[in-house]
Amino acid sequence: VQLVQSGAEVKKPGAALKVSCKASGYTFTSYGISWVRQAPGQGLEWMGWINAFKGNTNYAQQFQGRVTMTTDTSTSTAYMELRSLRSDDSAVYYCARDLRLVPPDSWGQGTLVTVSS
Amino acid sequence: EIVLTQSPGTLSLSPGERATLSCRASQSISSNYLAWYQQKPGQAPSLLIYSASSRVTGIPDRFSGSGSGTDFTLTISRLEPEDFAVYFCHLYGSSPTFGPGTKVDIK
Repeated sequence: VQLVQSGAEVKKPGAALKVSCKASGYTFTSYGISWVRQAPGQGLEWMGWINAFKGNTNYAQQFQGRVTMTTDTSTSTAYMELRSLRSDDSAVYYCARDLRLVPPDSWGQGTLVTVSS
Repeated sequence: EIVLTQSPGTLSLSPGERATLSCRASQSISSNYLAWYQQKPGQAPSLLIYSASSRVTGIPDRFSGSGSGTDFTLTISRLEPEDFAVYFCHLYGSSPTFGPGTKVDIK
């Protein structure tokens, strides 16, 4: 099982971010994908989850209206878009394979996002 | 919303010592949905324990989890040099959340 994320990004406040997460080594549509972020020196923050097959989502309340998670089953890739970026959105963003009834067991390598003017 | 708190924030121990990490939930949770992760600097979290006490395949048996209701514990029976890291508890399922973490560092 491998999840490979897109590379580091630098964004300006107010911009949008889109991170990709390409899965391999398992049946993509049999699992969901969670997105978790970690600000520098801080803990882990769950952002939301998407069912890779059906596309239904569950977003953390603090990101409702600002985040969109999607999947492309033809390429086994998940995407997380975060809009209206602020400086406190600077973090490492992780995707993780997630069945919900069991905890995320495989994680991407992380994507460092810096939001700065 | 359920909040997870972890204590202590930092645990300073020597190799070979026993580490006891606590995770407390703001309300009773099903032990079926409590996990523990280890994270080393610059790395993604790595799953150790799920369902409060089930060890992931390949995780050494010096790691054990226990607890129910609101109080959960991760125990490392004898610390090895590679065990010095940050440990997070995690409530998974429909409304996931993470504890703030406990750093286990070398005394």
